[in-house]
Amino acid sequence: SQQGEEDPQALSIQEGENATMNCSYKTSINNLQWYRQNSGRGLVHLILIRSNEREKHSGRLRVTLDTSKKSSSLLITASRAADTASYFCATYGNNRLAFGKGNQVVVIP
Amino acid sequence: DAGVIQSPRHEVTEMGQEVTLRCKPISGHDYLFWYRQTMMRGLELLIYFNNNVPIDDSGMPEDRFSAKMPNASFSTLKIQPSEPRDSAVYFCASSSLRGGDNYGYTFGSGTRLTVV
Repeated sequence: SQQGEEDPQALSIQEGENATMNCSYKTSINNLQWYRQNSGRGLVHLILIRSNEREKHSGRLRVTLDTSKKSSSLLITASRAADTASYFCATYGNNRLAFGKGNQVVVIP
Repeated sequence: DAGVIQSPRHEVTEMGQEVTLRCKPISGHDYLFWYRQTMMRGLELLIYFNNNVPIDDSGMPEDRFSAKMPNASFSTLKIQPSEPRDSAVYFCASSSLRGGDNYGYTFGSGTRLTVV
C-alpha cells in the first residue's frame, strides 16, 4: 500500500502563524498530492509534486518532497481562520491515489 | 461545470435494506473513483472506472457491494444488504485522462450513510 502517514495528527495555531505538516510513505510513487477537507465536505486538491521535483509553491502553500526519505511536508504560511480544515497527503502510483489519515489544523482568529 | 455531484447527501437506512448511492462525474473526465471514509480506516479506494469500465474493484469489501457505470455521466454504488459497519461517508471522484499524474482528482461532497 502507498498510504501516506501524516504527522502531527492535530495542530492548533494562531492566525498569521505558519503551519507545517509532514507525511511519510512506504513505496515508490509517481507524485504526491495534498488535499484539504473542510468539515462535512469533500476533498479539495491543493497541490501536486512529482517524484522528480523537490519543492513546489502555490500561493501560500509550499510543499517539499524527499524521495530518499520517502517524506513530504506541506507549509501553509500566514495562516487564516479559513485554513481550518483537515489536510491529507496522498501518494499516486499504479493509477491510484492512496490517502493518509489526515492532519486536523485549527487556526485561531 | 457544477463539479462532481453525489446524491443523496445523507442516507439513513435500516440494516438489511438496499442502499444506492449516485454520482455524476465532471463532463469529459475519463476516470471515476469511489472512496469510503471512516474514522478508523481513513479514506479507502473501493473501485475505479476508466471509460465506464471497472478497472480495479479490489477495494470493494464484500460481495454485498457492487458498482456500475452505465454511461460516462452516471455511476452507482449499491450495498445489498446493508449492515451497521457500512456506516461511513462515501465519496465519488473523477479525473481526466492521466489526471492523477498531473491535476489530481475532483471530489464530490460525499454521501453520509448511517445504517441502524
